[in-house]
Amino acid sequence: KAGVTQTPRYLIKTRGQQVTLSCSPISGHRSVSWYQQTPGQGLQFLFEYFSETQRNKGNFPGRFSGRQFSNSRSEMNVSTLELGDSALYLCASSSKVDWDQFFGPGTRLTVL
Amino acid sequence: QKEVEQNSGPLSVPEGAIASLNCTYSDRGSQSFFWYRQYSGKSPELIMSIYSNGDKEDGRFTAQLNKASQYVSLLIRDSQPSDSATYLCAVTLSELTGGGNKLTFGTGTQLKVEL
Repeated sequence: KAGVTQTPRYLIKTRGQQVTLSCSPISGHRSVSWYQQTPGQGLQFLFEYFSETQRNKGNFPGRFSGRQFSNSRSEMNVSTLELGDSALYLCASSSKVDWDQFFGPGTRLTVL
Repeated sequence: QKEVEQNSGPLSVPEGAIASLNCTYSDRGSQSFFWYRQYSGKSPELIMSIYSNGDKEDGRFTAQLNKASQYVSLLIRDSQPSDSATYLCAVTLSELTGGGNKLTFGTGTQLKVEL
């Protein structure tokens, strides 16, 4: 079974721009969660989508948003990028509530 | 108090020894517990999940959960240099009464297995 895929793998943007990251979950998985990982804050939960609905949300500003499509693929968007948004953005998929989450390779975002 | 706490390490063990990694959590109602391994520059890889008190074994790995003490641990037997990585403890907090997959992570323990 193919794992979670994320595109692009690397991105360089400048402050004020916006960015869209994409995630394709493991086939059959309907839950997709997004996390941000930085050296200072560690791994932090952004949001989770299940059946095209946002089910949980972390403590991030409204500049961070996401959506899920009918095929369970998900995108997250960050608008008005700030230097502090530089991070590894990870997507994880799961087949059931409270079951194992499997991470994709991540998208490394650098904001200049 | 952090919701999930781990000793940052590094924890150094000789090759072939047992490595013991520990994690405590603050939410007594937490339901699900996970151990991830993360190599430098890579994404987290799920090693073990545990949902009920006691031990769960998978190959060289054993996860131990004690909900009364709010404590979860990971034992790695016959440690190998390839086990050198950061080990992340993750918990699903009880705030998710409606269900869902929100993991709260500890900061990770760096393990070094020395030849």
